[in-house]
Amino acid sequence: EIVMTQSPATLSVSPGERATFSCRASQSVSSDLAWYQQKPGQAPRLLIYAASTRATGIPARFRGSGSGRDFTLTISSLQSEDFAVYHCQQYKHWPGTFGQGTKVEVK
Amino acid sequence: QVQLVQSGAEVKKPGASVKVSCKASVYTFTGHYIHWVRQAPGQGLEWMGWINPYTGDTLYAEMFLGRVTMTRDTYVSTAYMELSRLRLDDTATYYCARDYCSDKSCSVFHYWGQGTLVTVSS
Repeated sequence: EIVMTQSPATLSVSPGERATFSCRASQSVSSDLAWYQQKPGQAPRLLIYAASTRATGIPARFRGSGSGRDFTLTISSLQSEDFAVYHCQQYKHWPGTFGQGTKVEVK
Repeated sequence: QVQLVQSGAEVKKPGASVKVSCKASVYTFTGHYIHWVRQAPGQGLEWMGWINPYTGDTLYAEMFLGRVTMTRDTYVSTAYMELSRLRLDDTATYYCARDYCSDKSCSVFHYWGQGTLVTVSS
């Protein structure tokens, strides 16, 4: 089973600033990597798939990058609605596995 | 807008079974795989398996083999997940999610149900 490791666990950022956080796979997952946003009490929402393709309706301030084992999600200018937990997920190898999440909180 | 509406919260005793439903609307139910993902309180997401609503074929994660059964009723566009021999550590929110791809499993979870909290307590 592929282990996904996200860092940092918590990121404190001021509104308007850039947020960048990472996801590392225990072995290569090519570009089969998705990012989800989850707010308290809500289901996750798909942001990015294929490492860098934004899902329908996702603002351009969300940018995914990387391939192989190392991936990054960047939010260029944090809006109030972006404070949430972000999960990465690999779907290259069965079973698909998630990281433990990065919480983006208000600084 | 695609909708997945799940059944309500459940409280069960250890050893019992629970069956969660997921009713789909505003798309062709048989055209996309349905996955089940769970999240224990304060924890990460854990994929449980999928069902192909067209054929009824299923694939379960190894840790749930023998305890989980996924079914569907195409007449009412509803998928079901039944988990048996419940343990205390099965306490979690259970989500259904529609696959991004059509007619195959990409395991990219595009649309999600609102979640069903299952509490296992003696």
